[in-house]
Amino acid sequence: AQSVTQPDIHITVSEGASLELRCNYSYGATPYLFWYVQSPGQGLQLLLKYFSGDTLVQGIKGFEAEFKRSQSSFNLRKPSVHWSDAAEYFCAVGPTGTASKLTFGTGTRLQVTL
Amino acid sequence: GAVVSQHPSRVICKSGTSVKIECRSLDFQATTMFWYRQFPKQSLMLMATSNEGSKATYEQGVEKDKFLINHASLTLSTLTVTSAHPEDSSFYICSALSKASTDTQYFGPGTRLTVL
Repeated sequence: AQSVTQPDIHITVSEGASLELRCNYSYGATPYLFWYVQSPGQGLQLLLKYFSGDTLVQGIKGFEAEFKRSQSSFNLRKPSVHWSDAAEYFCAVGPTGTASKLTFGTGTRLQVTL
Repeated sequence: GAVVSQHPSRVICKSGTSVKIECRSLDFQATTMFWYRQFPKQSLMLMATSNEGSKATYEQGVEKDKFLINHASLTLSTLTVTSAHPEDSSFYICSALSKASTDTQYFGPGTRLTVL
């Protein structure tokens, strides 16, 4: 069975500071990995995804994530956070070959201080 | 591209009534749509998977007769909460897989259901 762990429930960073959100997954084969962002009262927006190939994935809004098979991790990073980045971030894992049956982590709430 | 809409965005109903939520893929055909439920400050819980023209597949613990799902076309799926009770109050989110590419789920904006 696949699972996702986001160890940090809540993170606070200052605007302009760098950000790293952690995600660890459990899956028997090579997974499909996703990061989504959710603003309050809204649906989820896809930030980036990893299927294969280059383990450093670039996404929208200046985000990137790195797949590390040896650590079963897919951490999300941004070099300089903007106040508008404050939101809930979800990491998700899906079975190889499809985005069906996604399993989501519990989310990390990002707060940005000015 | 890949826009999913939901209607209504918010609904308040009395206990015992039924509520229908629509999920539409606006600019693509969706062979598969998913319905999630999200409790406050929690993650998304998959309720069911619906494929166009066939019966929905429900996750364990989700009552089929309470949460009726219909996927009548390649762009529309509906979730009907029957005989709603206060414990059904939640945020319901749908998502869709494109017929052209099944490697990404596109999510709707969600529907906030409050049952009085």
